[in-house]
Amino acid sequence: GEDVEQSLFLSVREGDSSVINCTYTDSSSTYLYWYKQEPGAGLQLLTYIFSNMDMKQDQRLTVLLNKKDKHLSLRIADTQTGDSAIYFCAPLDTGRRALTFGSGTRLQVQP
Amino acid sequence: DVKVTQSSRYLVKRTGEKVFLECVQDMDHENMFWYRQDPGLGLRLIYFSYDVKMKEKGDIPEGYSVSREKKERFSLILESASTNQTSMYLCASRPGQTYGYTFGSGTRLTVV
Repeated sequence: GEDVEQSLFLSVREGDSSVINCTYTDSSSTYLYWYKQEPGAGLQLLTYIFSNMDMKQDQRLTVLLNKKDKHLSLRIADTQTGDSAIYFCAPLDTGRRALTFGSGTRLQVQP
Repeated sequence: DVKVTQSSRYLVKRTGEKVFLECVQDMDHENMFWYRQDPGLGLRLIYFSYDVKMKEKGDIPEGYSVSREKKERFSLILESASTNQTSMYLCASRPGQTYGYTFGSGTRLTVV
């Protein structure tokens, strides 16, 4: 099955850009998602990218996909304290058609 | 907006009890999922269902079963609760296989 790796923690200053990285193993993943989880809450879909794209921009969010290296990143521009949360990378496992989640990256934004 | 509702926010159960976790979605979604979330391990797939009366095992089905008698409801059953099943349980649904999930708020289960 799919394996997904993320670093556990990232700390940035308010106003800086944040980059959260993810590597995955299933090269046939067609859709790759990013979710955000705020304290005590369920997961909220942030954005996704289709595998035939290299980049997708959605307001302050930019997703970059390197299919050759099986590397996905999420860039948050002008990071705010409200962006403090856990961010999960989740490629679609094409075999069983379910999402496989990484361990999540906890983003801490310092004022 | 799609709503995925999990019946309990917090539950405390005793070892050996049979536990039912309920999940209901209101948008006629075909696919429903149960994950558990543990610190440092992310979300792990327990069971999922593509349609009514269908079920598939995920990565960690041992000690769990599921029921999907109606399209909107997907129940997770802990046959005999154990302390290692203390966790946050998250239910999710989606309309089709290439769509993202909508998650419920989660049930934090403690088994004592």
